[in-house]
Amino acid sequence: IAGITQAPTSQILAAGRRMTLRCTQDMRHNAMYWYRQDLGLGLRLIHYSNTAGTTGKGEVPDGYSVSRANTDDFPLTLASAVPSQTSVYFCASSDDEGAGGNEQFFGPGTRLTVL
Amino acid sequence: GQNIDQPTEMTATEGAIVQINCTYQTSGFNGLFWYQQHAGEAPTFLSYNVLDGLEEKGRFSSFLSRSKGYSYLLLKELQMKDSASYLCAVRDSNYQLIWGAGTKLIIKP
Repeated sequence: IAGITQAPTSQILAAGRRMTLRCTQDMRHNAMYWYRQDLGLGLRLIHYSNTAGTTGKGEVPDGYSVSRANTDDFPLTLASAVPSQTSVYFCASSDDEGAGGNEQFFGPGTRLTVL
Repeated sequence: GQNIDQPTEMTATEGAIVQINCTYQTSGFNGLFWYQQHAGEAPTFLSYNVLDGLEEKGRFSSFLSRSKGYSYLLLKELQMKDSASYLCAVRDSNYQLIWGAGTKLIIKP
């Protein structure tokens, strides 16, 4: 693995179903993030984690949960999917939560459709 | 509220120069980033500004004026592969990135 991987690449999900989007990075970055990207809107932060064992809520956390059991993995769970959660989901990581010019590196994204 | 404004779409000619503007109003300022995103792909980092002035990196340059809440990305010697969306993002007082909706740049031969 080099960088960040996400799985699945795409998914069609029935409303009400539970779904976990997986994210793994091999750069030993402390901070990780989940965003959703919708047409005409900027990336919106769902949840973040500044270091293993800690998580925080972003701009649009409702309906989503995360965990950070170790440095590498940061799964995003939709407990009961709704059509408004149809979006492209990006996982990202950075070397530090905010110091200096540490940019965020992005995974390839998961395209989720909730019917 | 926090707001990042960019033009929705711009068109330019191969070999020319284009300037993409970004204005922002955020709670605090801890740096401004530009990212490039090709259709169907992930955003990739282009530049970072935290002090006023111009940062040059090859064909791409980025300018920042903190007093005006303004930045621009300058792309020179445009190539067809530069057709993409360009995202402006500001790191706020909580050290979270606030993102603009992006500017879709169309390059014509």
